[in-house]
Amino acid sequence: QKEVEQDPGPLSVPEGAIVSLNCTYSNSAFQYFMWYRQYSRKGPELLMYTYSSGNKEDGRFTAQVDKSSKYISLFIRDSQPSDSATYLCAMSIGGSYIPTFGRGTSLIVHP
Amino acid sequence: NAGVTQTPKFQVLKTGQSMTLQCAQDMNHNSMYWYRQDPGMGLRLIYYSASEGTTDKGEVPNGYNVSRLNKREFSLRLESAAPSQTSVYFCASTPGGVYEQYFGPGTRLTVT
Repeated sequence: QKEVEQDPGPLSVPEGAIVSLNCTYSNSAFQYFMWYRQYSRKGPELLMYTYSSGNKEDGRFTAQVDKSSKYISLFIRDSQPSDSATYLCAMSIGGSYIPTFGRGTSLIVHP
Repeated sequence: NAGVTQTPKFQVLKTGQSMTLQCAQDMNHNSMYWYRQDPGMGLRLIYYSASEGTTDKGEVPNGYNVSRLNKREFSLRLESAAPSQTSVYFCASTPGGVYEQYFGPGTRLTVT
């Protein structure tokens, strides 16, 4: 079992839908949580970064961490076709700058 | 400010050939990384350099070597390419003391 599990999808939703992307993990030492967005044939780009538990909001995006359940989520409100991409979660132990990545979830937002 | 740049963008090699993938960053970052990305496998760390003058193996280092030429540049060398090394290679960097990484556009390598 990988340390970080992420459903590869694809997840297909209509434009305007609320999207929920999730990762589960097994290592309770993870404290730093990142979401990256990767468009087709491009490099990953950092979307959201959170420390420990709680929520963080940035425009249409909300990152949520539930350390008790070892579960993190990325919510996208009012999804747009331009949100179509692969979303990778990543997490790190404090003091270790080598993140563990999930395999990514492919999201398709159709008009 | 170009961020992280990688050359070449595409490469086709024959089995047994060698090549070097180049990576450079202009953000004055301390740490640099090389990943490969394969379908269904996600990003796997090949080598990293926590600071200039140091390099360490990652999850999948076999068949690769690296050189941290200076603070800006981190190269990945395939001495004798194998079809199993067909992949997309990403370089990343981080300032040091932070957890988020900045990625280059990738090099698509095919070994026949």
